[in-house]
Amino acid sequence: GNSVTQMEGPVTLSEEAFLTINCTYTATGYPSLFWYVQYPGEGLQLLLKATKADDKGSNKGFEATYRKETTSFHLEKGSVQVSDSAVYFCALYSGNTPLVFGKGTRLSVIA
Amino acid sequence: EPEVTQTPSHQVTQMGQEVILRCVPISNHLYFYWYRQILGQKVEFLVSFYNNEISEKSEIFDDQFSVERPDGSNFTLKIRSTKLEDSAMYFCASSVLNQPQHFGDGTRLSIL
Repeated sequence: GNSVTQMEGPVTLSEEAFLTINCTYTATGYPSLFWYVQYPGEGLQLLLKATKADDKGSNKGFEATYRKETTSFHLEKGSVQVSDSAVYFCALYSGNTPLVFGKGTRLSVIA
Repeated sequence: EPEVTQTPSHQVTQMGQEVILRCVPISNHLYFYWYRQILGQKVEFLVSFYNNEISEKSEIFDDQFSVERPDGSNFTLKIRSTKLEDSAMYFCASSVLNQPQHFGDGTRLSIL
């Protein structure tokens, strides 16, 4: 079945540091890949997506590239801010199957 | 931008009681989902719903759970006889065909 593996957190960075959160997946067919973010006390928000190989999703300075050859979808941001502190979830689905989530990576950015 | 709305934001219930969690999906969406997140753990799929019937459900979604779309706007999750381990954040989501799911802010369910 489909699965997502994310790097364990928590990740603690200083403001303006470079962020990478690793995500790899196992899936049948050609899944769509997503990053969702959950800010403290809030629900899940779609951050970015990619629907086919070599697509790059981007939003709010975050980027992730769909790499079919390495089955990866790593999240990156060049300069994090305190307001980026949240839990980040990598997820995938094929067609209209349910989303399969990774365990989440908590990011704390300190000033 | 249209949103998925969930009520209540927090529900406290005695063990053994029935609870109904409510969701209003985005109006033109046809696919509906419930997920849950036990504190500190991953988000887990419960059930999906399309064309007025369950299209898929997980092992978690046992006979204590049911879903309903009682009218054209609401989508509800009922837990018949709650257990302590049902304490979690419950998320509703909706989508159109082959598009990302949009999530509500969740209902925090606390079973005492």
